[in-house]
Amino acid sequence: DTGVSQNPRHKITKRGQNVTFRCDPISEHNRLYWYRQTLGQGPEFLTYFQNEAQLEKSRLLSDRFSAERPKGSFSTLEIQRTEQGDSAMYLCASSRDTGTMEAFFGQGTRLTVV
Amino acid sequence: AQSVAQPEDQVNVAEGNPLTVKCTYSVSGNPYLFWYVQYPNRGLQFLLKYITGDNLVKGSYGFEAEFNKSQTSFHLKKPSALVSDSALYFCAVRDSSGYSTLTFGKGTMLLVSP
Repeated sequence: DTGVSQNPRHKITKRGQNVTFRCDPISEHNRLYWYRQTLGQGPEFLTYFQNEAQLEKSRLLSDRFSAERPKGSFSTLEIQRTEQGDSAMYLCASSRDTGTMEAFFGQGTRLTVV
Repeated sequence: AQSVAQPEDQVNVAEGNPLTVKCTYSVSGNPYLFWYVQYPNRGLQFLLKYITGDNLVKGSYGFEAEFNKSQTSFHLKKPSALVSDSALYFCAVRDSSGYSTLTFGKGTMLLVSP
């Protein structure tokens, strides 16, 4: 399967713990995006990379959130000191390096903070 | 700032009837417009896009969408609905600079009854 892969699919964590999610994009895609989706809402943009450079971060992305894409391939999203409000589906997407191209989404990581 | 409005939380249609899912947008400059579909416990799947040219674009699974610049709309349509079309549909917009991110609407649940 050459689609976008996200791990883990589900994560349950206690409030205050740190969590890290991984995204493996489609191999020839230069752009990688992270979105968050809560029930009844559309995906909300968090951040995106072009190759290894993080080009934009949403104001939704508090200081507890950090994302990396060290070699321009896979990406990680870390949430420190998790809060119950962080419970959501975290979606990763990738696309080719042009605004006309559609993004392809992974199946997401569902985070539950208890 | 760019935005998308999907005015209907839910659309109900009988199998075999035509369906329309509405979307309006706001963006600086020319828009790039996308429709995605999300099935339960699945990631978002790309359906179709409008970049330039013919205002009627055709996509996957028999869906099409009509771009109307004066009304800033991009409604999703299908001539004959199937029960299997029941899912959550998202409209998204990006500006033509190529550097902006995709902004999604909150989604419309389509329910097709047998």
